[in-house]
Amino acid sequence: AQSVTQLGSHVSVSEGALVLLRCNYSSSVPPYLFWYVQYPNQGLQLLLKYTSAATLVKGINGFEAEFKKSETSFHLTKPSAHMSDAAEYFCAVDTGGFKTIFGAGTRLFVKA
Amino acid sequence: KAGVTQTPRYLIKTRGQQVTLSCSPISGHRSVSWYQQTPGQGLQFLFEYFSETQRNKGNFPGRFSGRQFSNSRSEMNVSTLELGDSALYLCASSLGILGGDGYTFGSGTRLTVV
Repeated sequence: AQSVTQLGSHVSVSEGALVLLRCNYSSSVPPYLFWYVQYPNQGLQLLLKYTSAATLVKGINGFEAEFKKSETSFHLTKPSAHMSDAAEYFCAVDTGGFKTIFGAGTRLFVKA
Repeated sequence: KAGVTQTPRYLIKTRGQQVTLSCSPISGHRSVSWYQQTPGQGLQFLFEYFSETQRNKGNFPGRFSGRQFSNSRSEMNVSTLELGDSALYLCASSLGILGGDGYTFGSGTRLTVV
């Protein structure tokens, strides 16, 4: 069965520092992978997705993620954190079974 | 274009009552999925509908049900509410024809059961 593991429920970075949010997946078939962001009292917003084209995927707000099949990872990065990036981030996998599985989420704190 | 609309935004219900939540997807999206979000369990999949047919269902009791109408709008119903049903219920729409579309989420309905 497919699953998603996000390492670290909380990550804290200083403004201007690198953001790295980790995601590992388990899937028996080539997956579609996603990162979503959720701001307080809102729904989730799609940041980026991997659909087997390029392994390095660029998304909105300067985020990108790299699909590494050998490591079953899809980590999210941003070179320079901004205060407005503070939110909860979810990694998700869709294996085509009309169902997307979400990780537990990582809350990102950005310090001034 | 208009986003995914969920109504109502907030609900307070008493144990034992039932509740119906509504979701209007983005125009042209035929798939609607529902998730329950709680601090302890995270995002849990409830069900997915495409062209009025339920294609997948999560591991929830039969008190949770849903349906989709011919215009792709969807409703979910929870009967005999329990305190543990308090959660944010999120609706997400997608084209639904192939995997990998990604979802567009609504802002959710916050259900509180007292």
